[in-house]
Amino acid sequence: AQSVTQLDSHVSVSEGTPVLLRCNYSSSYSPSLFWYVQHPNKGLQLLLKYTSAATLVKGINGFEAEFKKSETSFHLTKPSAHMSDAAEYFCVVSRGSGGSNYKLTFGKGTLLTVNP
Amino acid sequence: DAMVIQNPRYQVTQFGKPVTLSCSQTLNHNVMYWYQQKSSQAPKLLFHYYDKDFNNEADTPDNFQSRRPNTSFCFLDIRSPGLGDAAMYLCATSGGGRGGELFFGEGSRLTVL
Repeated sequence: AQSVTQLDSHVSVSEGTPVLLRCNYSSSYSPSLFWYVQHPNKGLQLLLKYTSAATLVKGINGFEAEFKKSETSFHLTKPSAHMSDAAEYFCVVSRGSGGSNYKLTFGKGTLLTVNP
Repeated sequence: DAMVIQNPRYQVTQFGKPVTLSCSQTLNHNVMYWYQQKSSQAPKLLFHYYDKDFNNEADTPDNFQSRRPNTSFCFLDIRSPGLGDAAMYLCATSGGGRGGELFFGEGSRLTVL
């Protein structure tokens, strides 16, 4: 079984300040982990993914995330928020052991607001 | 270039009037998914195809059906839409391998009057 908990349903930051979106996971297998972003009335876009290579993963638009097995966390960070970062962010886990690893489990999402 | 294309982007229907949403992909991916997403919620998986093998989620209502006539296309049929079926419907694809991320279309927003 696997699950994802996004610890904050809403995060509000000022433009130019750091962003931290928190995600904890549980998985019976070695997981693959993803962060997706969704702008209003749009589909989901992949920001970055972890698949058992480097634990610090760099993604698009200056985002990065660190896989910490001991803490079962995969928090998303960005040094300096832009107005265009305002969106919904989803942390996602998939089974990494093969078989039906094409089914993903979504967190409930974190709405990021960026204030001018 | 768009790789997963959904049509229509916006669909308005009347209560009980059947609706078909379409999805096409240029990625030649084995797996295609349909998700339902209601306002301020995470996407909820309705079903997926691994090649021609259809996999229905246990809690997907019978009102929802799907067809995949070939690798590139997949359809979502809602036989008798109710007010509770108003949502964004997202199509996604993946290569099905370890760590394979999903590629999403822009979604089809369904309104039921």
